[in-house]
Amino acid sequence: SQKIEQNSEALNIQEGKTATLTCNYTNYSPAYLQWYRQDPGRGPVFLLLIRENEKEKRKERLKVTFDTTLKQSLFHITASQPADSATYLCALDLFSGNTPLVFGKGTRLSVIA
Amino acid sequence: NAGVTQTPKFRILKIGQSMTLQCAQDMNHNYMYWYRQDPGMGLKLIYYSVGAGITDKGEVPNGYNVSRSTTEDFPLRLELAAPSQTSVYFCASRLDSYEQYFGPGTRLTVT
Repeated sequence: SQKIEQNSEALNIQEGKTATLTCNYTNYSPAYLQWYRQDPGRGPVFLLLIRENEKEKRKERLKVTFDTTLKQSLFHITASQPADSATYLCALDLFSGNTPLVFGKGTRLSVIA
Repeated sequence: NAGVTQTPKFRILKIGQSMTLQCAQDMNHNYMYWYRQDPGMGLKLIYYSVGAGITDKGEVPNGYNVSRSTTEDFPLRLELAAPSQTSVYFCASRLDSYEQYFGPGTRLTVT
């Protein structure tokens, strides 16, 4: 069966450290993978998109990797701050006709001062 | 651009009542989506549309209906509300294979 999993439901990290979140999938062949941030009571907000032929993408303190052999994406936040505390969602874009994005359940990140 | 707007922000319904959740986007996006999110859970796709006049069921369509008569608007209709429909509802839109934009959500309680 097709699955997308974000390995941790919750992750606690000390301020200043690098947070690493994992997104694994099975039986999908995504063309793109996206990461979103969701704050409590708000809709998700897009952060980064990485294509299947890209190994790594960076934006300020954020870095995403995409390994289509391992079927895994890693999302890193360097020099983490309490303001980075939120739920982070990964989403697969199958780019197959009009198929909607497939969202993971999210990882709740807490950055402790 | 206002982006994706949703009304109302909050609503309390009695069991058996009906209502329409409104969603509009001003970005000329072809794809639009409705999700529900229960407390502490992930997003579940209810219905989606790939363009005006075209709609399709998602993962949890039972108890809901949609229409897409224009590119901008994608209302979600709840008929005969049930307590199981208590949730936060998010509308979203996107242009082809790019990032998805979400609305602020409607918090619905059915008692």
